[in-house]
Order: sequence, then C-alpha cells, then structure tokens
Amino acid sequence: QKEVEQNSGPLSVPEGAIASLNCTYSDRGSQSFFWYRQYSGKSPELIMSIYSNGDKEDGRFTAQLNKASQYVSLLIRDSQPSDSATYLCAVLSGGSYIPTFGRGTSLIVHP
Amino acid sequence: EAGVAQSPRYKIIEKRQSVAFWCNPISGHATLYWYQQILGQGPKLLIQFQNNGVVDDSQLPKDRFSAERLKGVDSTLKIQPAKLEDSAVYLCASSAESTGYTFGSGTRLTVV
Repeated sequence: QKEVEQNSGPLSVPEGAIASLNCTYSDRGSQSFFWYRQYSGKSPELIMSIYSNGDKEDGRFTAQLNKASQYVSLLIRDSQPSDSATYLCAVLSGGSYIPTFGRGTSLIVHP
Repeated sequence: EAGVAQSPRYKIIEKRQSVAFWCNPISGHATLYWYQQILGQGPKLLIQFQNNGVVDDSQLPKDRFSAERLKGVDSTLKIQPAKLEDSAVYLCASSAESTGYTFGSGTRLTVV
C-alpha cells in the first residue's frame, strides 16, 4: 500500500512569513512529486513538480526533495492571505501514471 | 487551451437514486481519471482510462459505480443506487504522457 502522509493542520502563519509544508511517502520507487493547491470548493491546481533531489524554485515557491529520507516539502516565502488553501502532496511511482495523494495540509495566512 | 470540462457542478439526490456525471478532457489527452474527494481527504482514484480502455478500476465500487469512455474522448461516471457515503466531490482529470494532471472543476454530490 503506497502511502503519502501530510499533517492536516491547519498551519497558521502571519502574512510575510515563510510557510513550510511537509510530506512523507512510503514507496521508495517514487519518481515524481507534485504539490497542488486547492482553494475551498475548488479543484486542485498544480503549482510545483519536482523529480530529483534538491531544491526547485518558482517565484515564491520552493519544493525540496530528499529521496533518501522519503520526504518532500513546499516552502512559501512572503506568505499572502491569498495563499490560504489546502496543499496536496502527490507522489508518482516509476512506471505509473497514477499519483497517490496525501490528505492535504490546510494553510491559513493571517494579516 | 480549454480546460477539463465537467457537469453538473452540483447535484443533490436522495439515497437509492441514480446519478451521472460527465467529463470532457483537454483535447489530445489520452488519459482520463475519475477521482472521489470526500471532505477533508485527498482525492482517491476511482478509475483510469487510456483512450477508451480501462487501465485501473481497482478502487471503483463496481456494485454501484460504473464508468465509460466509449469514443476515447468524453466520459461518464454513474452511481446506482447512491448511498449517503457517496457524498463527495467527483473530480475528473486528464493528462498527456509525462505531464501532470489537469483537474476539472468537479461535481459536488450530496446524497440525502
């Protein structure tokens, strides 16, 4: 059973701070990792993907991957109230087109 | 590029009734997925199509759920009869090889 674990939160951070969202996964054969943002009542929206160890930066977002520790994280710098949403971690095993989703972490950015 | 289209947006039915959802993927996306997302949980895959063939339906409750993608383009998901625990958002997603998913806006089903 492939598992993707996320703390459901909510994670509350002040505006302008760095929000750190974490995800662990059980399948060592996992190859691709995605972060989705889901606003309340809306569908998930892909914001970051990462495939190799290290950091990947895109604007205010940085994804970090450590395959040895089976850990992927998402950092949001200069958090804004508009970043308040649920962030879903999704993990794709090699040779599969079906990612396994975590339950998501609720992020609240307060002014 | 047009997104994944789903309809209806909302549906309320009584238990034991039937319901159908429709999805039109992004043009050219061969792979189509139906997910069920219960409140507070991540999406759970129900069925995956590659063109008009089923690739994975291992988590589809086949006694009440069915899905088809006859012409390899749009797809329908049906529930008959519905149970209270089927209340969820049903998400359709599509992808092309090596791309991430694009989700539709979903259908929020409430079974009363």
